[in-house]
Amino acid sequence: ETGVTQSPTHLIKTRGQQVTLRCSSQSGHNTVSWYQQALGQGPQFIFQYYREEENGRGNFPPRFSGLQFPNYSSELNVNALELDDSALYLCASSLVGLAYNEQFFGPGTRLTVL
Amino acid sequence: DQQVKQNSPSLSVQEGRISILNCDYTNSMFDYFLWYKKYPAEGPTFLISISSIKDKNEDGRFTVFLNKSAKHLSLHIVPSQPGDSAVYFCAASAERIQGAQKLVFGQGTRLTINP
Repeated sequence: ETGVTQSPTHLIKTRGQQVTLRCSSQSGHNTVSWYQQALGQGPQFIFQYYREEENGRGNFPPRFSGLQFPNYSSELNVNALELDDSALYLCASSLVGLAYNEQFFGPGTRLTVL
Repeated sequence: DQQVKQNSPSLSVQEGRISILNCDYTNSMFDYFLWYKKYPAEGPTFLISISSIKDKNEDGRFTVFLNKSAKHLSLHIVPSQPGDSAVYFCAASAERIQGAQKLVFGQGTRLTINP
């Protein structure tokens, strides 16, 4: 069974640029959630994708967008990068259908915005 | 507003003793609580959870206690082992978005187990 994988591991961008982060969900999982973890903080919910549609969003502006593909992998896109976007971005996959479905996290992508 | 708070950024415990990590929440709509453990360069790993209809859940060395009236939960690790050294996150959920929860995390507590 393959766990959740994310790419790239690290990324450095400059302010104003755009970035795409990728996540492959655990085998058999159909839902992907994205979280942002700033230094010294806990993860913050960005949004979730289920059946290729956005299915709930946290307090993040529209320049944060995403996609989910038919194989349930997902992308997180951030436009017009700001310095405060520097963080660890985590994706978590789960299988909807259980009462309280456990979310399995990937190792994250460390984004640095200069 | 910080709906889930872990007020101790760090905790140091002797190997073999009990580790107690605390978490407070403000949203009375939370109905499910989880603890995650995170090692450096890895994603958070699910440890144990508790539903709001219970006040205790035990899994091996790990026990979670929930006090709804105080809006407080705690994680007890007995006995503590060096491999338990990690950052522990408390998380809560109220919102069911067609199935999968939206998790609200605390800031984390770094637990260090000393030999």
